[in-house]
Amino acid sequence: QKEVEQNSGPLSVPEGAIASLNCTYSDRGSQSFFWYRQYSGKSPELIMSIYSNGDKEDGRFTAQLNKASQYVSLLIRDSQPSDSATYLCAVGERILTGGGNKLTFGTGTQLKVEL
Amino acid sequence: GAVVSQHPSRVICKSGTSVKIECRSLDFQATTMFWYRQFPKQSLMLMATSNEGSKATYEQGVEKDKFLINHASLTLSTLTVTSAHPEDSSFYICSASRGWNSPLHFGNGTRLTVT
Repeated sequence: QKEVEQNSGPLSVPEGAIASLNCTYSDRGSQSFFWYRQYSGKSPELIMSIYSNGDKEDGRFTAQLNKASQYVSLLIRDSQPSDSATYLCAVGERILTGGGNKLTFGTGTQLKVEL
Repeated sequence: GAVVSQHPSRVICKSGTSVKIECRSLDFQATTMFWYRQFPKQSLMLMATSNEGSKATYEQGVEKDKFLINHASLTLSTLTVTSAHPEDSSFYICSASRGWNSPLHFGNGTRLTVT
């Protein structure tokens, strides 16, 4: 059974600081990785996708992937109170018929950015 | 950007009735659509994967006769919760994918309450 592990938190950081969110996964053959942000009562919103080892930057967000260690992380620079949410790590499994990724989600890390 | 529309956003029904939830991809043809369920304080759990013109693939433990999925076209999938009971009360979220290297985009979710 594929597993995706995250620390549930809450992770509290002061406004303007860097928030670091971590995720490990069990399936060494996984090839696609995603970070979603979910506000309470809302559906997940895609933040980043990453498919190869290394860093990928998009604005204040940087995703890091290390397939050898089966580890993926998300860094949020200059954290804002509006970043307070639950961050879900998801690992994709390729669907052979029809295409697309079947995602397995971690339980999420709650981030609180404090004024 | 990609938009996935889901209706209704909220529904309250009596025990024993059926509820239909629609999921549409508005600006792209979705090769695959996925249905997730999320209970309070828990992560998203995949219920089933559907491809246009074929039967849905259900995850272990999900009753296919209770959760009917019809993927009528490349832009529309429906989930019908038949003979709903209070334990079916949950947040149901659909998602759609363009293909293998395309992230999933989620609908806004449907909050189902069965009384």
